[in-house]
Amino acid sequence: AQSVTQLGSHVSVSEGALVLLRCNYSSSVPPYLFWYVQYPNQGLQLLLKYTTGATLVKGINGFEAEFKKSETSFHLTKPSAHMSDAAEYFCAVSETGGFKTIFGAGTRLFVKA
Amino acid sequence: NAGVMQNPRHLVRRRGQEARLRCSPMKGHSHVYWYRQLPEEGLKFMVYLQKENIIDESGMPKERFSAEFPKEGPSILRIQQVVRGDSAAYFCASSPQGEVTEAFFGQGTRLTVV
Repeated sequence: AQSVTQLGSHVSVSEGALVLLRCNYSSSVPPYLFWYVQYPNQGLQLLLKYTTGATLVKGINGFEAEFKKSETSFHLTKPSAHMSDAAEYFCAVSETGGFKTIFGAGTRLFVKA
Repeated sequence: NAGVMQNPRHLVRRRGQEARLRCSPMKGHSHVYWYRQLPEEGLKFMVYLQKENIIDESGMPKERFSAEFPKEGPSILRIQQVVRGDSAAYFCASSPQGEVTEAFFGQGTRLTVV
């Protein structure tokens, strides 16, 4: 069975500081991994995804994530936080070629001026 | 090309009433997925449908919940005899094929049961 654990339900950073949101997964088959962002009262927007190939994945808005199989991790980073990054972020996993996506509980990112 | 459209955006129902949530997939998409997001939780898979077929409903509660995706018209998630615990945000996603990597999400319907 697949599962996703996001470490830290709330993360607070200062504007301009590094953003690091942690995600660990478990999967019995090669996974597809995703990060989504959700702004208040909005749907989910795909930030980036890992399917196969390069383990460092670049997404929109300056975010990137690295797939580390040995650590079963897919942490999300951004070098310099912006106020507009304040939102909830969800890590998700699905089976290769599968249709059922398993979401983590989410991490709410706060950005201080 | 409009995105995934869900309506209504907000729905208030009294306990015991029925709730109908609609999802119009993106143009050219024939695969629809429904998810439920309870307060302070991530999204939970409910059901996966193709046109006129339910492919996987393993995440649907056994009673009171049903879903359809007719040949014409939007996908409907129906909740009968709603209870307070049904209060949540319900999200629909669609994809052109049965491949979740290409799924796009709607803005959700927030159901409040009073």
